[in-house]
Amino acid sequence: AQKVTQAQTEISVVEKEDVTLDCVYETRDTTYYLFWYKQPPSGELVFLIRRNSFDEQNEISGRYSWNFQKSTSSFNFTITASQVVDSAVYFCALRGGATNKLIFGTGTLLAVQP
Amino acid sequence: DAMVIQNPRYQVTQFGKPVTLSCSQTLNHNVMYWYQQKSSQAPKLLFHYYDKDFNNEADTPDNFQSRRPNTSFCFLDIRSPGLGDAAMYLCATSRDKAAGANEQFFGPGTRLTVL
Repeated sequence: AQKVTQAQTEISVVEKEDVTLDCVYETRDTTYYLFWYKQPPSGELVFLIRRNSFDEQNEISGRYSWNFQKSTSSFNFTITASQVVDSAVYFCALRGGATNKLIFGTGTLLAVQP
Repeated sequence: DAMVIQNPRYQVTQFGKPVTLSCSQTLNHNVMYWYQQKSSQAPKLLFHYYDKDFNNEADTPDNFQSRRPNTSFCFLDIRSPGLGDAAMYLCATSRDKAAGANEQFFGPGTRLTVL
């Protein structure tokens, strides 16, 4: 069975703080893909990153960075120097190699206070 | 800009009255998806089209149907909406199913209210 766990339901930080959103996944597939999406209050899911199971290289994009560790089945997302505009629900998602279905975690609501 | 468009953004219907939600895309993607997202929950896949091939999720109620008349458009039909069908409905597309092309791009959603 495939499963994504985002244990943090809500996180509140003050602007300019760094924050890490945790994601733990379960899958028996050897080939799989991991994603992060941002859902602001407007409702649209915004694609942030895709990582495949063969690429454990960490990635940095501006203030965003992702840490993929197969040994702990985790794909954590860090926002450096958070801003109010980062306030949103963030979803981690998993797709197995043989299926087109995205399995979403329950999401983490990030509130960045000015 | 290429995008996924959903109309209307807000839809109100009455219990049992059929309703159709619309999705269009200018990305020329092969795959289109419909998700249901209830309040404070994760999106849940209802079905998807790979070109003209329809793929229904096993737990999608028969009350939900879909049509894809051409590459650009996909419709979600709810034949007899119940109060439990009130949710945000998200349309998404991906270029293909292949590994290098499977990012899904989402529209802004249609929030359905059932009275």
